[in-house]
Amino acid sequence: GEDVEQSLFLSVREGDSSVINCTYTDSSSTYLYWYKQEPGAGLQLLTYIFSNMDMKQDQRLTVLLNKKDKHLSLRIADTQTGDSAIYFCAEITLYTGRRALTFGSGTRLQVQP
Amino acid sequence: DVKVTQSSRYLVKRTGEKVFLECVQDMDHENMFWYRQDPGLGLRLIYFSYDVKMKEKGDIPEGYSVSREKKERFSLILESASTNQTSMYLCASSPTTWGGNSPLHFGNGTRLTVT
Repeated sequence: GEDVEQSLFLSVREGDSSVINCTYTDSSSTYLYWYKQEPGAGLQLLTYIFSNMDMKQDQRLTVLLNKKDKHLSLRIADTQTGDSAIYFCAEITLYTGRRALTFGSGTRLQVQP
Repeated sequence: DVKVTQSSRYLVKRTGEKVFLECVQDMDHENMFWYRQDPGLGLRLIYFSYDVKMKEKGDIPEGYSVSREKKERFSLILESASTNQTSMYLCASSPTTWGGNSPLHFGNGTRLTVT
């Protein structure tokens, strides 16, 4: 699989904006994803962006995609303590023609009250 | 709502034991996946299956095998468990034509400790 890179840790104060960054390698990935993992749980799909879009907004979430630099970011506005979790970006990877997701290392977001 | 169930939340096994991790999904999905999750490494794909009795190697298949005898069930097998296989194992499923808002759906994970 390809390498997807994220910083490991981000700490913000409640009410601030959080920006989680990701670089990916497979420019042919049709979709790019953000998943959220709360403590003791599996991964839940948070949002996604189609590769021909530059931006997608969904309530407090804004996804920005820079295809030239292969850079993806997730902005969470008005961050709440309930947003504390690990956030993974993911791209579609082909394994002998079959698709799977390749994930980044995950960014642990800590929200200080 | 898609439900992916992993039979054990926690497992403790001894080095050299044969270990079975079970995963069942209830949405008639064709694709099923096994990942392991380690701090700082994220999720790494071990094996996946796109149909009954079919399997495909992921990035780290060494030391593992899989079985898909029925569509709803995908088993991960550690033939001879070793301490470096201590990890969180996550199962996921998806339909054949996944993408956009219907990508992988995950179970809650099995935390395996090999002593």
